[in-house]
Amino acid sequence: EAEVAQSPRYKITEKSQAVAFWCDPISGHATLYWYRQILGQGPELLVQFQDESVVDDSQLPKDRFSAERLKGVDSTLKIQPAELGDSAMYLCASSPRLAGATDTQYFGPGTRLTVL
Amino acid sequence: GDSVTQMEGPVTLSEEAFLTINCTYTATGYPSLFWYVQYPGEGLQLLLKATKADDKGSNKGFEATYRKETTSFHLEKGSVQVSDSAVYFCALSQAGTALIFGKGTTLSVSS
Repeated sequence: EAEVAQSPRYKITEKSQAVAFWCDPISGHATLYWYRQILGQGPELLVQFQDESVVDDSQLPKDRFSAERLKGVDSTLKIQPAELGDSAMYLCASSPRLAGATDTQYFGPGTRLTVL
Repeated sequence: GDSVTQMEGPVTLSEEAFLTINCTYTATGYPSLFWYVQYPGEGLQLLLKATKADDKGSNKGFEATYRKETTSFHLEKGSVQVSDSAVYFCALSQAGTALIFGKGTTLSVSS
């Protein structure tokens, strides 16, 4: 069964350092999402891509966060500089297409970020 | 904006007990509704979904019915197992948009 891949699984960094997370969606999935999940909370959207285009990045802190999906396949999320409050689980999800509310989103295992 | 409210946990049950986790939503139009489950240290897995009013989603003994009149999507299971211990998230999605999640409910089942 195809899965969403993410790396690294765990990342510990010091504040003010740069970090990057990678996601490879299920093959053929056009839509890719990055969510942030703070401990004890539900995931919240950071950015949504349709192919290589950003559909929604309204909740992305653009002063320090950036995301790209250059060829419309895998994606990278970057934080520079990292702050203590960025400690969270970063989840990537993909779905086959943009149109249609019935599409299921498939999640990767996540990257657990700890900022010291 | 759209939102999801689910009962706070933790919910602690004995094996074979009946489970209900309440979920209500606020949304314009007719969103799709989902239950996701998260096991320790893992990502989210879809448990079940419903796309229109009165639809019943079911999977692995879990059920939830989309109730438009009460804006609810309560999760139920007749007999829980220790292996059901996890965090359960209720979520909604409008057409083509990201999921909006509740805060999650932790279920702990003891033998």
